Amino acid sequence: DTGVSQDPRHKITKRGQNVTFRCDPISEHNRLYWYRQTLGQGPEFLTYFQNEAQLEKSRLLSDRFSAERPKGSFSTLEIQRTEQGDSAMYLCASSLAGTGTHNEQFFGPGTRLTVL
Amino acid sequence: DQQVKQNSPSLSVQEGRISILNCDYTNSMFDYFLWYKKYPAEGPTFLISISSIKDKNEDGRFTVFLNKSAKHLSLHIVPSQPGDSAVYFCAASWVSGGSNYKLTFGKGTLLTVNP
Repeated sequence: DTGVSQDPRHKITKRGQNVTFRCDPISEHNRLYWYRQTLGQGPEFLTYFQNEAQLEKSRLLSDRFSAERPKGSFSTLEIQRTEQGDSAMYLCASSLAGTGTHNEQFFGPGTRLTVL
Repeated sequence: DQQVKQNSPSLSVQEGRISILNCDYTNSMFDYFLWYKKYPAEGPTFLISISSIKDKNEDGRFTVFLNKSAKHLSLHIVPSQPGDSAVYFCAASWVSGGSNYKLTFGKGTLLTVNP
């Protein structure tokens, strides 16, 4: 399977615990995105990497959230001291684009987080 | 502030007929528009896109129309099939400083195609 993969698919945690999600993009894609989707809403942008550089973070990404993409390959999204409001589907997407070109982003299956 | 709006939460269509999904946007900087389809428990799947320099793009049963003056786009599916039943998201992006291609999504429209 050469699509975007995410692990785990589901995570149930207790409030206050830390969680980490992993995303493996399509191998030749240089851009990687994290989105969050809550019930009845469309995906909302969280952050974006070009290779290993994190180029933009949404104001939705509080200080409890951190994302990395070491070596420009897979990425991790960590949430510290989880809150019930963090319960959502966390989606990862990747794309391949050059300067000045638009891109279609290809999404993974998502990680559904439930904070009890 | 919802910059991409899909005002119809749901749409029901008979198999073989046309499905028309609508999307409005408010940000005039948007210059690229995409439609995604999403099944339950899966990530969104890219369907079709259109650049703001065009007013129509067609791919098989799917056609997207863009009316820039009205800030409106629509997705036509002809003929509709039961397997098309899913949530459809409209998304938009723009080139900002040459590096930011984040997508702004609408809330989605649930399409049900009845056999």
